[in-house]
Amino acid sequence: DTEVTQTPKHLVMGMTNKKSLKCEQHMGHRAMYWYKQKAKKPPELMFVYSYEKLSINESVPSRFSPECPNSSLLNLHLHALQPEDSALYLCASSQAVFAADGGETQYFGPGTRLLVL
Amino acid sequence: RKEVEQDPGPFNVPEGATVAFNCTYSNSASQSFFWYRQDCRKEPKLLMSVYSSGNEDGRFTAQLNRASQYISLLIRDSKLSDSATYLCVVNMRGPNFGNEKLTFGTGTRLTIIP
Repeated sequence: DTEVTQTPKHLVMGMTNKKSLKCEQHMGHRAMYWYKQKAKKPPELMFVYSYEKLSINESVPSRFSPECPNSSLLNLHLHALQPEDSALYLCASSQAVFAADGGETQYFGPGTRLLVL
Repeated sequence: RKEVEQDPGPFNVPEGATVAFNCTYSNSASQSFFWYRQDCRKEPKLLMSVYSSGNEDGRFTAQLNRASQYISLLIRDSKLSDSATYLCVVNMRGPNFGNEKLTFGTGTRLTIIP
């Protein structure tokens, strides 16, 4: 089973709201990722967690705050977003960030489609 | 030069034809390579991992040429269901251990025509 789940599927929020995106996997993967994808563009990496520790932050604005409560869960807390933050937010997981024999292969969740008004 | 470069297409190909995509990457230290497909408004799904000199899975064949730093994807006997965007993805090793990350090409849009 290579399933990564994300909730909610859709989210509409105002610029003053606080909301959270959730991601879960039960494959025993120890690396989890947040990506942002705009229409007709490839996914852009935002954050990487390895063994529940933040290992990469791709200079993401502080209005996006990731959290990894345990090895199966990854959250993305949103606060004071801008309309240009509207996008598909994808979570992914892999056995490890870098490994031999395919362990770094990433599996994506279905995404949360976010609209900021 | 982009880190991972693909022809964006679109490729419009009749059903049953063979189609090939190429992708070039700039970092010679890259270790692993993937092709993902992404349907409209869906998440990327792994199509094939590409290790060593290449591999085949049914109608799909991926090749890796480390000397020239490119990978290719060949689709034989194309089906209508093959219509999607195909993303070339390279695991780039950063300057420090732990900085490895996937780098995506811009994707190639393929439409199979009945």
